[in-house]
Amino acid sequence: SQQGEEDPQALSIQEGENATMNCSYKTSINNLQWYRQNSGRGLVHLILIRSNEREKHSGRLRVTLDTSKKSSSLLITASRAADTASYFCATRTDSWGKLQFGAGTQVVVTP
Amino acid sequence: EAQVTQNPRYLITVTGKKLTVTCSQNMNHEYMSWYRQDPGLGLRQIYYSMNVEVTDKGDVPEGYKVSRKEKRNFPLILESPSPNQTSLYFCASSTRGHQPQHFGDGTRLSIL
Repeated sequence: SQQGEEDPQALSIQEGENATMNCSYKTSINNLQWYRQNSGRGLVHLILIRSNEREKHSGRLRVTLDTSKKSSSLLITASRAADTASYFCATRTDSWGKLQFGAGTQVVVTP
Repeated sequence: EAQVTQNPRYLITVTGKKLTVTCSQNMNHEYMSWYRQDPGLGLRQIYYSMNVEVTDKGDVPEGYKVSRKEKRNFPLILESPSPNQTSLYFCASSTRGHQPQHFGDGTRLSIL
């Protein structure tokens, strides 16, 4: 079964707007990672947040983690057409190698 | 250039004909993993390897085999492919199991 679930499934915004997507998970985690996938391509790592961290930033990306609610959010500020992609959260429940992905949020940014 | 290379990129084959998808990384990573991606299901982990000669099952290992004889290579073997294994497959690697993963460009398998 899937550990993470993203919400919404799809998001359509205009350039310059912010995009927020959420990830909920079921069991305790070691870390949570966000990835981006351009159509049909391999995934690209965006940010890793550890279970003892609450917020991380990377350029226009901001990730929060609330372990009490078992949820994380990814915020993309001032979105660009190039941000059009699917975004996945992935959780690692221990340090032994299993990584579980959610079904993803498809984001479309229109000029 | 640091990369994970999968071959073939596309393959159409028939039920029961054994096939191997190769995966090679040039980053000296200890950890490698295979995923399949199906619409609406995200990525599901098939097998992973923490190091040479160390492999373990992911969430959907049935019908697949792997081996890790060398650090750089992690082939995925379908001994008797079936149509429900039609999918987009990704290989990934990282320095350690808990670190961010580098993905290959994917292999699209169609099994008729």
